[in-house]
Order: sequence, then C-alpha cells, then structure tokens
Amino acid sequence: QQPVQSPQAVILREGEDAVINCSSSKALYSVHWYRQKHGEAPVFLMILLKGGEQKGHDKISASFNEKKQQSSLYLTASQLSYSGTYFCGTGSGGSNYKLTFGKGTLLTVNP
Amino acid sequence: NAGVTQTPKFQVLKTGQSMTLQCAQDMNHEYMSWYRQDPGMGLRLIHYSVGAGITDQGEVPNGYNVSRSTTEDFPLRLLSAAPSQTSVYFCASSYSVGVGEKLFFGSGTQLSVL
Repeated sequence: QQPVQSPQAVILREGEDAVINCSSSKALYSVHWYRQKHGEAPVFLMILLKGGEQKGHDKISASFNEKKQQSSLYLTASQLSYSGTYFCGTGSGGSNYKLTFGKGTLLTVNP
Repeated sequence: NAGVTQTPKFQVLKTGQSMTLQCAQDMNHEYMSWYRQDPGMGLRLIHYSVGAGITDQGEVPNGYNVSRSTTEDFPLRLLSAAPSQTSVYFCASSYSVGVGEKLFFGSGTQLSVL
C-alpha cells in the first residue's frame, strides 16, 4: 500500500522553506527519501531508520515519527536546484525489500 | 564505474509485440528491482530479485516476466505489449535488502505502445 504524500505540489521563491509529509497506514520501520528532476532518475537523499530519528543533508533534513507512522522532509532556504519531485518510500520490516513509494510531491523553486 | 545501465532509452512498440528491457549493474549488488512510473502514480514495483535465481512479484506484475541468471543482469520481458504498458521503466539495485541500504536507479526506458 502506497504511503500518502502531501502536498501534491508546492511552489516557492528562492530562500523560502517547505515541508513535505509522508504518512502510512501501516507500521513504519524506515523511510527513504528520493528526489527526481524532470527526465532523470530518482536520486537518493536519505534514509531514516528509527522512530524519532532526524537527519540532515545540506539544508534538507527529515524526521521520522514512528508512533504517528509518518515522516516529514524539511527544505530550508530553498535553492533553484531543489526543484524536482520528491518521493518517500517505505520498506518491509525496515529494509528496502519491496520498497513502496508515494505518488510524489512536485517542488518548484522560482527566482 | 557505470552503476546501473538500462537499454534502450526509448522504444516504440505495436500492440502485441514482445520485447526485453535490459538492466545491468556492475556494483555486485544483491538486490535488483523494476519500477514503472506513470504520471500522478509515482513509482510502482513490478518485480524484484534478492539474488541470482530468485525473483518475486511486486505490486503490478501482470504482463511482465523477469529472470535473474547472473548477479549483474535483470531483464524485464513484455510478452505481448499493450497500450496500458506505456510508461517509463526504471531498474534499481542495492547492495542488499538490509536495513539502511539505498537504491541506485538506472536512467530509465521510455516505452510507448501503440
């Protein structure tokens, strides 16, 4: 069952912040985040493995609330290069076995 | 280091034709998978393999066959193409299915079935 992402799309001006949410009706053991630019392959951003874990990558960070069965991706001081579609993926039992992705969130950063 | 290589990049088929999408990785990855991507649907898992000789179905396996005779290769076969199989296909691999292993994606194959 696909995780649910929100919002479906967001438009920002350079320097603004955004939050992308990912929730699941099943218990979550891990959450993957990937970014895909138009016409390209998805690229790995980060994995969160434990409830409450937070990770950061440049100005992109994420949190994982195991109890609420959700994860959030935070993009701060957005740059033009952040534009793309963001996908969360959830695996079975914490692995990437049968990784199931949400439908994606299209992020557009304008000058 | 080539990573995950998919061929062809583009393909047009007529309904009923068969073809094989190729996927090869040179990273000695144990786990390989095929996804299809349709507008508004995200990435949906077609088939996956946890090692040579071992394959299993994902969410949308109908109309597709796979085999894994070597660690490196994981071809996807369309037996009788249908317009509903028009999509972008991505092959992905990871070192193992273990916790924390990220997926590496190929550049994709854009398939149109007329």
